[in-house]
Amino acid sequence: GIQVEQSPPDLILQEGANSTLRCNFSDSVNNLQWFHQNPWGQLINLFYIPSGTKQNGRLSATTVATERYSLLYISSSQTTDSGVYFCAVEGNEKLTFGTGTRLTIIP
Amino acid sequence: KAGVTQTPRYLIKTRGQQVTLSCSPISGHRSVSWYQQTPGQGLQFLFEYFSETQRNKGNFPGRFSGRQFSNSRSEMNVSTLELGDSALYLCASSPDTTLYGYTFGSGTRLTVV
Repeated sequence: GIQVEQSPPDLILQEGANSTLRCNFSDSVNNLQWFHQNPWGQLINLFYIPSGTKQNGRLSATTVATERYSLLYISSSQTTDSGVYFCAVEGNEKLTFGTGTRLTIIP
Repeated sequence: KAGVTQTPRYLIKTRGQQVTLSCSPISGHRSVSWYQQTPGQGLQFLFEYFSETQRNKGNFPGRFSGRQFSNSRSEMNVSTLELGDSALYLCASSPDTTLYGYTFGSGTRLTVV
């Protein structure tokens, strides 16, 4: 099956810093999503991005499907950005998730 | 537009019992899928239903089963509960899994004692 790797596993930053999270996947996929898991466990959809670049406020994402990776950029980090970020790729009617990046923003 | 609704939010069961979890997808979404999240195994796919048909199933024992009704609502059942079944169970819906993204519910946190 498809393998999804995320890096780094943990990231600790000062408030106001910028960060880049990476997602590598082992095969071609139909689509790719980035999620933020809130403290109550819900996966909040950040981007649906099978290819190209999208931006939403301080967050942006880029997927280069031909090279099988995606990047999530967070600028001017806020404490509310803390949590676990997951990348997931879709193939055969299912999502395969990476192991996540735990982001901690220190005031 | 209402999101994906999962009930109950929390559940405590005893080993050997069975449990049924419910998921109501976003209106108009015909695909419903289920995922299990544990600290050790991460997020793992259980099964996916589209128009009442199971299209894909993950690598879980037969104790885990599901179904989808004509109104797209889905239930998953776990029989003969084991301690290792303690997990967060997440449901997701999509209008079409290959063309659109998935939207997740808040999850059901199951504790087996």
